[in-house]
Amino acid sequence: LAKTTQPISMDSYEGQEVNITCSHNNIATNDYITWYQQFPSQGPRFIIQGYKTKVTNEVASLFIPADRKSSTLSLPRVSLSDTAVYYCLVFNTNAGKSTFGDGTTLTVKP
Amino acid sequence: DADVTQTPRNRITKTGKRIMLECSQTKGHDRMYWYRQDPGLGLQLIYYSFDVKDINKGEISDGYSVSRQAQAKFSLSLESAIPNQTALYFCATSDPKDRAGNEQFFGPGTRLTVL
Repeated sequence: LAKTTQPISMDSYEGQEVNITCSHNNIATNDYITWYQQFPSQGPRFIIQGYKTKVTNEVASLFIPADRKSSTLSLPRVSLSDTAVYYCLVFNTNAGKSTFGDGTTLTVKP
Repeated sequence: DADVTQTPRNRITKTGKRIMLECSQTKGHDRMYWYRQDPGLGLQLIYYSFDVKDINKGEISDGYSVSRQAQAKFSLSLESAIPNQTALYFCATSDPKDRAGNEQFFGPGTRLTVL
């Protein structure tokens, strides 16, 4: 399974757009890029998934360049409740599993 | 996710004791997973199961065993608990027909302390 690298922590302010970048240099053809959010003492929650280009849903956008060796999660106009740990995963559809890294702790300040 | 439940939610035990953590789901998913999470770190996969007859080791299976009693139930056992198994344990499920099985639904977690 491809390993991922992402910043350990980021700070932002309410109302700003936050972009968290993840690198996955060894991504394979059958791999999807996935992001999860985790609040303290809770299980992670799926945010968004993509294979290439751009994917948008009601909470986030995911940008994936053509070489797929990195991806960027974009959170528009964050609020205090977006303070959490964000995990970038590469999911292998053949193996049916992925590996969690240590995530990025996002702190949103007033 | 309320459709995935874990029991107990908290457990304190002593070194050498046998412990079983249970997971039940009402989502009708075939795939189930057990993870452990240490403070400040990401989740590590212990075991996973794609159906009742399929059990696979994850990254850190040593010291653990599992049982898939039914599609809805997946139990994790620590045969002889040791202090470095103190962690937060999560169960998760997924459906391979939904987002290629990529979206996992997690239970509330079990906080296990081994003294």
